[in-house]
Amino acid sequence: NAGVMQNPRHLVRRRGQEARLRCSPMKGHSHVYWYRQLPEEGLKFMVYLQKENIIDESGMPKERFSAEFPKEGPSILRIQQVVRGDSAAYFCASSPGVGGYGYTFGSGTRLTVV
Amino acid sequence: AQSVAQPEDQVNVAEGNPLTVKCTYSVSGNPYLFWYVQYPNRGLQFLLKYITGDNLVKGSYGFEAEFNKSQTSFHLKKPSALVSDSALYFCAVPGGATNKLIFGTGTLLAVQP
Repeated sequence: NAGVMQNPRHLVRRRGQEARLRCSPMKGHSHVYWYRQLPEEGLKFMVYLQKENIIDESGMPKERFSAEFPKEGPSILRIQQVVRGDSAAYFCASSPGVGGYGYTFGSGTRLTVV
Repeated sequence: AQSVAQPEDQVNVAEGNPLTVKCTYSVSGNPYLFWYVQYPNRGLQFLLKYITGDNLVKGSYGFEAEFNKSQTSFHLKKPSALVSDSALYFCAVPGGATNKLIFGTGTLLAVQP
């Protein structure tokens, strides 16, 4: 079982470009979560998805950020027109359900905007 | 709203000494509580969880946590710290309308040789 796979591990984008972050959940896990970790800060929830559905996007910035989890393929977190403040580590996690299951995390994608 | 608080940004302990990393919670109903560890440049790893039952929960790498309902605490403990335990520790609770995990701000544990 390969665990939660995130790619790329590191991503460098110039201001104004688009960033696409990918996450493949653990086998058997249908719930995917994205979190952002800024330097010297904790983990901030962004979005919770199940296959083809956004369940909770209460932590997503209103503009430039979007997420999807299609029927086939990985979950994608997309950041359009990146700015320096988007530089952070983005972590994906998956679980087989909600509540008491806990999450399995990927190793993260470190986005640097130059 | 469900939340957890980690009152210490950093905890310093000498190798071989016992360690405690503090977490308090605010939840309605019976809480589910989690501890995760993050090593440098890595994702979070699950350590242990409290769902119900015994107040003392044993987890990975020799860690344990004590659920205390009267003090609304879920402190992480280890009898004898190792230098390799140095990492960032997060407690978490399911919360919000969709029960996603809400994390504390994290506590950096530094174990000195």
